[in-house]
Amino acid sequence: GDSVTQMEGPVTLSEEAFLTINCTYTATGYPSLFWYVQYPGEGLQLLLKATKADDKGSNKGFEATYRKETTSFHLEKGSVQVSDSAVYFCALRENAGNMLTFGGGTRLMVKP
Amino acid sequence: NAGVTQTPKFQVLKTGQSMTLQCAQDMNHEYMSWYRQDPGMGLRLIHYSVGAGITDQGEVPNGYNVSRSTTEDFPLRLLSAAPSQTSVYFCASSYSARGYYNEQFFGPGTRLTVL
Repeated sequence: GDSVTQMEGPVTLSEEAFLTINCTYTATGYPSLFWYVQYPGEGLQLLLKATKADDKGSNKGFEATYRKETTSFHLEKGSVQVSDSAVYFCALRENAGNMLTFGGGTRLMVKP
Repeated sequence: NAGVTQTPKFQVLKTGQSMTLQCAQDMNHEYMSWYRQDPGMGLRLIHYSVGAGITDQGEVPNGYNVSRSTTEDFPLRLLSAAPSQTSVYFCASSYSARGYYNEQFFGPGTRLTVL
């Protein structure tokens, strides 16, 4: 079946550092890929998405490119802020339905 | 527009007790779903519904029942709670357009502890 693997955290960075959170996936078809963010005490919010190979999703300074050849969707940000501290989830959805398959989540902690 | 709401926020049960987690959305979304979140395992789908009167099982349905009598509400029932059901539960909803589903909107979650 489908699966998503993302790097274990926590990831601890200083403010203005460069961020990469790795995400790779296994799917039978051609899924859509998502990054969700969960701030402390809140539900998940969609951060960005990509629906086909070579698409780049971007939002709030975060970017991720759908790489079919490496089955990856790594999340990047050039300069993190303390307010980016949260848990980040990579997820996929087969295009035939609406069921999301999530990775285990990566906690990001940004220190001033 | 409240989005997706869940009640209660916190709940403690004893083994064997029953309860219902409430979920409601005011966006007229046809699709609703329940997930549980456990450390290091991300979110796993329990049950979902593609419209009023239609429900189906997800990845981890055992021990949970759902029904969908209206578009707005999608309650999750635990008939006999077990410690393994200690988790954070999230409800989500989305709509479809031109044959494809849009993003899923998540509620704030219910933290359940079973002693």
